[in-house]
Amino acid sequence: EVQLVESGGGLVEPGGSLRLSCEGSGFTFSSYEMNWVRQAPGQGLEWISYISGPGSTIRLADSVKGRFTISRDNARNSLHLQMSSLGVEDTAVYYCARDYGDNSDAFDIWGQGTMVTVSS
Amino acid sequence: QSALTQPRSVSGSPGQSVTISCTGTSSDVGHFDYVSWYQQHPGKAPKLLIYDVTKRPSGVPGRFSGSKSGYTASLTISGLQAEDEATYHCCSYLGSYRKVFGTGTEVTVL
Repeated sequence: EVQLVESGGGLVEPGGSLRLSCEGSGFTFSSYEMNWVRQAPGQGLEWISYISGPGSTIRLADSVKGRFTISRDNARNSLHLQMSSLGVEDTAVYYCARDYGDNSDAFDIWGQGTMVTVSS
Repeated sequence: QSALTQPRSVSGSPGQSVTISCTGTSSDVGHFDYVSWYQQHPGKAPKLLIYDVTKRPSGVPGRFSGSKSGYTASLTISGLQAEDEATYHCCSYLGSYRKVFGTGTEVTVL
């Protein structure tokens, strides 16, 4: 079964850091571009980061640029999001999502999400 | 980059059709034929319904269809069913591996 499983969420104080992970299984992880998408409570979805299959191309949304870093370890089928200088506006469910690929554009597989709460 | 504009809510009776709009600009919806739609039930992860404006992944019922005209993409649910009650999100490619989502639309089955 094709699956993505996130971990690492939790409660962190403003200004703090947190590292999220996403483990893929059931597919050739290194062949797929990956993303992080977040959803603040009661709000819509927000794309925040992209990384190519080899990890050589990275994109970050303006809202997280300079504070978040995306990386991947294809040997361990894992994707990471290092978050620093967290603010209350970063409180959200964070999803990892696989790019459809094949010259199409969509997120075809999603993890179950991991909750990040930034509060004092 | 601002979120794409969707109606906050739409509703319909079982068996009816509903259409959800997703309005962007010349930089996103109007520029790329890469609009996707997602269904999200409360407390669940989004699920891909439509990609590349009109394509449906295997396993998605045929009552879901997508289209686009100018800066507006649309998702139509024909023959509304109780299990279609959910929030629907559109998404457009922005170029350079970036994407933007819509504001989300709650669908209520009356």
